[in-house]
This record gives sequence, structure tokens and C-alpha cells, in this order.
Amino acid sequence: NAGVTQTPKFRVLKTGQSMTLLCAQDMNHEYMYWYRQDPGMGLRLIHYSVGEGTTAKGEVPDGYNVSRLKKQNFLLGLESAAPSQTSVYFCASSASWAGGFYNEQFFGPGTRLTVL
Amino acid sequence: AQKVTQAQTEISVVEKEDVTLDCVYETRDTTYYLFWYKQPPSGELVFLIRRNSFDEQNEISGRYSWNFQKSTSSFNFTITASQVVDSAVYFCALSDHNNAGNMLTFGGGTRLMVKP
Repeated sequence: NAGVTQTPKFRVLKTGQSMTLLCAQDMNHEYMYWYRQDPGMGLRLIHYSVGEGTTAKGEVPDGYNVSRLKKQNFLLGLESAAPSQTSVYFCASSASWAGGFYNEQFFGPGTRLTVL
Repeated sequence: AQKVTQAQTEISVVEKEDVTLDCVYETRDTTYYLFWYKQPPSGELVFLIRRNSFDEQNEISGRYSWNFQKSTSSFNFTITASQVVDSAVYFCALSDHNNAGNMLTFGGGTRLMVKP
């Protein structure tokens, strides 16, 4: 099992360009998440999904869009990149509630994005 | 609103010293879950432990131990006889029971440097 994978690992964009980050998981998890990590601020949730075809906003959703067309994939889009979106982006997945048992999140390796 | 505070941004110790990483949380819920994750220099996030609010027993796993105290809203992490391989950023995180998507609120992280 590959777990959670992210594509690409690194990317440099110019202000105003667009791009899509791909997250894939092979654990049949219902829930998926996108976080950004900035120095001293821990990880902050951008968007999340509790199932195929559903998405919801997290703490810092502005400037990003997401889609979950297939259960195993969760895409994060930047329509018009800004320097403030320079960050490391992590995708994660977890199983849903099962008999009241909370399941931990499994993280991908991260994507380092620089916006010039 | 939930909040996790890791007041120690950086800690430096010499190998074999014991070190405690502090985590203080805020939540209005009576049922919640606490986590510790490790982020080594390679960048991935590694799950270390999950604790629910009903289980106040301390836990020990090898050189790692966790002290959960509801009375002070703290969930501290101690590494005994630290090693160079323990050098990493450590994150404490919180999720409450009324959270449909198992979303996590992270602290800002503590960078631990273990010197030989």
C-alpha cells in the first residue's frame, strides 16, 4: 500500500498562474483533507471532504478550490496564485467514525509550493 | 472554538537528556481527542498517539510517555534519554466530538534539536 501520495512534490509558480495539486489514497478512507503549513503556525485546514462528491471549507479556504470526484482522489486548485500562498501543502485521509471510534489522519509527504 | 498552544517553539538538549514538550488545549466539548504527531527533517508527519478525553491514564511507549491532565487542559509529551534521531518538529492536535469530519486543530509545533 502506498498510503497517501501527493503530486507534485515541488512547484514554482508566477503570480496569477493556476495549478492543481493531486492527492490520492489507497486505504479506502471516507475523509480527506488539505492543510497548509507555514512557519510557526502549525498546520491549518484549507478544505476537507467527508465523502465522494462532497467538500467543505476549513479554516483558511480563500483562494483555493477543491473537488472529490472519486473516493480515492482529492484535488486542490489555485485559480490565481499569490505570493501569500507560498507554503507546504499536506493532504491527509482518515477512516470515518466506526462505532464511536475516532480514527487518526494519515498524511502525504507534502508539496512545497513557491509563488513568485 | 478550539485552540492548541505549544508555548515552546524550540528546545535544544544534549543526547541522553530527558525533555518534556508542553501542550495546552482549549475546547468547550466534554468529549474530545488529543494527538501528537512527529515531523522529522524529511518532512512527513508521523502519528504518535491518540488519547480520548475519558481516558486520563498516562501512557508509556518505550522512551516516550504522555501525561494527560484534564484539570489543567494539558497533554504533555516526555522523551526519556533523548537521541539525535528524536530531532524533529512535534505537533499536538485536538479534535472534538461534534466534528463531522474528524478535523484537527494543530498547535504551532515545537522544534526539538538533540545534539550529540
